[in-house]
Amino acid sequence: QTVVTQEPSLTVAPGGTVTLTCASSTGAVTSDFYPNWFQQKPGQPPTTLIYNTNNKYSWTPARFSGSLFGGKAALTLSGVQPEDEADYYCLLLHGGTSMFGGGTKLTVL
Amino acid sequence: EVQLVESGGGLVQPGGSLRLSCAASGFTFSSYWMNWVRQAPGKRLEWVANIKQDGSEKYYVDSVKGRFTISRDDAKSSLYLQMNGLRGDDTAVYYCARGTPTPGIDHWGQGTLVTVSS
Repeated sequence: QTVVTQEPSLTVAPGGTVTLTCASSTGAVTSDFYPNWFQQKPGQPPTTLIYNTNNKYSWTPARFSGSLFGGKAALTLSGVQPEDEADYYCLLLHGGTSMFGGGTKLTVL
Repeated sequence: EVQLVESGGGLVQPGGSLRLSCAASGFTFSSYWMNWVRQAPGKRLEWVANIKQDGSEKYYVDSVKGRFTISRDDAKSSLYLQMNGLRGDDTAVYYCARGTPTPGIDHWGQGTLVTVSS
């Protein structure tokens, strides 16, 4: 049973920088897992931030960036804003199927 | 503007069936993989199934294999999820989501709530 693991919660001060990570129980995450990152605020559907490891959409704020680091996928927020408080999910491709991580609750405090 | 509108959710008894629909607009539906993703109340997102542009490939999460069937009608720009043998742990908001050329999801619907309870 493949498991995708994220930090359950993180706290960051406004204006600070924080990195969220996404690990696979199958081993090191590479670009072949096509990591995607999503933001979800209470009562809303998710919105997509990053695709294929580090690619942004036109609507993705510049302060969000994706990467691979230490065998994991990573989402870095630089210059965090209060409106960035949300749940963040990664999505990894495993064979023909996809799997979300457990999500990270980011608190801006 | 990409729009995905789900319908068909509701209250169903354990063991029952339900068919979800997703009406797509604002893009060439036949050119995209499509996905169903669900989220139980207060829980994480769970990818459920996806279907290739021509319907020739379909993939499912293990927990729904043999019970759920994903399908599409490109003439109607619609995606479906036939759910049979429903269980309490299928209770969730079900989202329709458009796939990206590289594996992933770019656009999401607002979701439809499925409640399985007696």
